Amino acid sequence: QVGLVESGGGVVQPGGSLRLSCEGSGFTFSIFGMNWVRQIPGKGLEWVAFIRYDGTIKYYADSVRGRFTISRDNSKNTLDLQMNSLRPEDTGRYYCASHRRSLAPGFSYYYYYMDVWGKGTTVTVSS
Amino acid sequence: EVVMTQSPVSLSVSPGESATLSCRASQGISDNLAWYQQKPGQAPRLLIYGASTRATGVPPRFSGSGSGTEFTLTINSLQSEDFGFYYCQQYNNWPPVTFGPGTEVDMK
Repeated sequence: QVGLVESGGGVVQPGGSLRLSCEGSGFTFSIFGMNWVRQIPGKGLEWVAFIRYDGTIKYYADSVRGRFTISRDNSKNTLDLQMNSLRPEDTGRYYCASHRRSLAPGFSYYYYYMDVWGKGTTVTVSS
Repeated sequence: EVVMTQSPVSLSVSPGESATLSCRASQGISDNLAWYQQKPGQAPRLLIYGASTRATGVPPRFSGSGSGTEFTLTINSLQSEDFGFYYCQQYNNWPPVTFGPGTEVDMK
């Protein structure tokens, strides 16, 4: 069965660090890009970071660039998010999600979307 | 950055009725738009991509339309399991990937 499972969330003080992990199963993890998406309590969804299937390209949201690092180990089907210099506004539920693409019918460009999501792991940054 | 807005903020609908949700992009995004459903305590679930293509397993009562800057998600004959939050997402001009603030569909 296709799935993603996050782990590593917890409570940390401002300025602290935390490392989240996500393990994929039931699909060929190594051929898909992956994302981290977070959700502030009671709020909407915010994209955090993306990593290409082979790890050679990484993108970050402005709010986390320079503090967070996304990485993956395709031999273990795992995706990680190293979070440093954490702030209270980083509090939220963190989801890993696949990055899929489909060729637009009759065109030469791709549709992108996130079709597999984990259940998330909660990060609380508080003193 | 492409800013996504959604309307209405919330919508009260009776089971069996239809609901129309709107999403607007601050600049043209062709048809590279996805819709997600999220129920309390659950992860988002992909409903629609490419503005109008239903994801695997999504019932045909969900339909999407639009292109450029204006998009619509229509839910026909709402079922009890359809109540929740709905988010649009653009993936045309990225990074960053951006989501709309969401529309809550609740039971009247």
